[in-house]
Amino acid sequence: KQEVTQIPAALSVPEGENLVLNCSFTDSAIYNLQWFRQDPGKGLTSLLLIQSSQREQTSGRLNASLDKSSGRSTLYIAASQPGDSATYLCAVGPGGGNKLTFGTGTQLKVEL
Amino acid sequence: GAVVSQHPSRVICKSGTSVKIECRSLDFQATTMFWYRQFPKQSLMLMATSNEGSKATYEQGVEKDKFLINHASLTLSTLTVTSAHPEDSSFYICSASGDRSGGYTFGSGTRLTVV
Repeated sequence: KQEVTQIPAALSVPEGENLVLNCSFTDSAIYNLQWFRQDPGKGLTSLLLIQSSQREQTSGRLNASLDKSSGRSTLYIAASQPGDSATYLCAVGPGGGNKLTFGTGTQLKVEL
Repeated sequence: GAVVSQHPSRVICKSGTSVKIECRSLDFQATTMFWYRQFPKQSLMLMATSNEGSKATYEQGVEKDKFLINHASLTLSTLTVTSAHPEDSSFYICSASGDRSGGYTFGSGTRLTVV
């Protein structure tokens, strides 16, 4: 059974810092891995999708890496801003339209 | 990019009534849709998986007669909470897969309050 863990569970940083969120999974037989953000009372917004054959994806100030062999992914946020405050979730997909397995989430607060 | 529209965003209903939540994929055909429930400050809990034209597969502990899921077309899935009670109050989110990227797109969620 796939298990996904995210560290840290919560993080508070001053504006402008670069930060790293970690995601680990137990079964490396994944099709893809997706990072989402969720604002309070809202749905999930997809940030980055990494296929199993890829090592990383970048979008603006966000960079996500994937190391299947070690069962790890990291989300790097450069020059953090208060608007980045949200809960970040990683999820691994087995492919074939099957259900995602979500991590426990990291609650990020970026302070002025 | 892929968009999933979920309605309503908020609904308040009386105990004993039924509520329908719609989830539409706007620019792709969603071969599979998922329905989640989320309690405050907790992660998403998968309720059921539905494939177009077939019966939904419910997760253990989810009452299929209470949470009716219909996926009649490749762009629309509905979740009906029947005979709602206050303990059904929660945040419900749908998700769809089927766009070319292989990723999953989520709706904006529905806040259900049963009074």
